[in-house]
Amino acid sequence: GAGVSQSPSNKVTEKGKDVELRCDPISGHTALYWYRQRLGQGLEFLIYFQGNSAPDKSGLPSDRFSAERTGESVSTLTIQRTQQEDSAVYLCASSTDATGPYEQYFGPGTRLTVT
Amino acid sequence: ILNVEQSPQSLHVQEGDSTNFTCSFPSSNFYALHWYRWETAKSPEALFVMTLNGDEKKKGRISATLNTKEGYSYLYIKGSQPEDSATYLCAFHFNKFYFGSGTKLNVKP
Repeated sequence: GAGVSQSPSNKVTEKGKDVELRCDPISGHTALYWYRQRLGQGLEFLIYFQGNSAPDKSGLPSDRFSAERTGESVSTLTIQRTQQEDSAVYLCASSTDATGPYEQYFGPGTRLTVT
Repeated sequence: ILNVEQSPQSLHVQEGDSTNFTCSFPSSNFYALHWYRWETAKSPEALFVMTLNGDEKKKGRISATLNTKEGYSYLYIKGSQPEDSATYLCAFHFNKFYFGSGTKLNVKP
């Protein structure tokens, strides 16, 4: 079946502009995660959604970052007033149940470059 | 903040060499430890999910061991091939996932 998809694959934006990143999880996966990887660093947790529960937003680095998910489907990550330090690869992952040690399935990522 | 360390940061080996790298994680409140392989221009792919102390998992030439009491996991690759070149990530799973910065493996033909 189809895997996790993300769009766009690449995004170049000017400092100060808003960007929206999209993630389509695997159908039926209740848990959805957003991560980012800045150059030379590890994967940094941003936010996760589990079913209809309130999302865990503890990893969002500032109030310029927000994310939404409609039910158990598509999620969008929005970055307002982008800064150069926001440049990173943004990865989305989904899994069948966040409460079990189930593996995550990752999308191909969105490479964001803020100039 | 949970600290997950991976070493070495990068590794260059010749085709046919066997190699191993380390993931260190907190030894308390253990739930699961995940290993992923991340090839350039592709998505991270799950290799192993490990939950039991002393557990050993194997997939082809790749295997992993787990010591939850001392807080480490080893990943072994036997007879490395160029297609094994990738970044290997471990993730400590406790409520959410805490990733290490990865070990970048380059296998030269």
